[in-house]
Amino acid sequence: DTAVSQTPKYLVTQMGNDKSIKCEQNLGHDTMYWYKQDSKKFLKIMFSYNNKELIINETVPNRFSPKSPDKAHLNLHINSLELGDSAVYFCASTLGELGSYEQYFGPGTRLTVT
Amino acid sequence: AQSVTQLDSHVSVSEGTPVLLRCNYSSSYSPSLFWYVQHPNKGLQLLLKYTSAATLVKGINGFEAEFKKSETSFHLTKPSAHMSDAAEYFCVVDGQNFVFGPGTRLSVLP
Repeated sequence: DTAVSQTPKYLVTQMGNDKSIKCEQNLGHDTMYWYKQDSKKFLKIMFSYNNKELIINETVPNRFSPKSPDKAHLNLHINSLELGDSAVYFCASTLGELGSYEQYFGPGTRLTVT
Repeated sequence: AQSVTQLDSHVSVSEGTPVLLRCNYSSSYSPSLFWYVQHPNKGLQLLLKYTSAATLVKGINGFEAEFKKSETSFHLTKPSAHMSDAAEYFCVVDGQNFVFGPGTRLSVLP
């Protein structure tokens, strides 16, 4: 039973295209996140949703738009893809919004923009 | 505002020798602190967490970390490295938002 799953695992696309990454968690958690990990392994939070509401929106180009149809899903749509968007994108979830909650991570989606 | 510093970008040890991965943090709040491990081409897994209880925290796979408020440190240790410990390790502070350190790559030599 996969706790946090992401699809696709790999995504190769050309500049200018629009693509989506899907994330689902079956843990009953209230809060979900998207992170970007660059080629130097640096992890940066992009968005956080709590019960389908946006609570963290870091400085991310507005080409990136998260969508949470229900609290078990948080999808990431990216418009007009650029070379610099190439990275590994991780979805995560926690039981609560803040504090000492452990984050559960998905396996990642490796996005390559050519 | 929170920040995390991992003092070594790369640590190399021989199998069977001790591991020390250093982490210093700053936070305006009483933070929770975590160590996560990422094996090559894998997602992140929690090793251990500190949440204002015991300052010495034991985690999985023989790892432990000690919270030292006076030094604002949360260093990760293991008495004896195993080949399977080779991975990237992230120190994380959570006061208001999760903030990840830049990571330390641990290599274990046979």
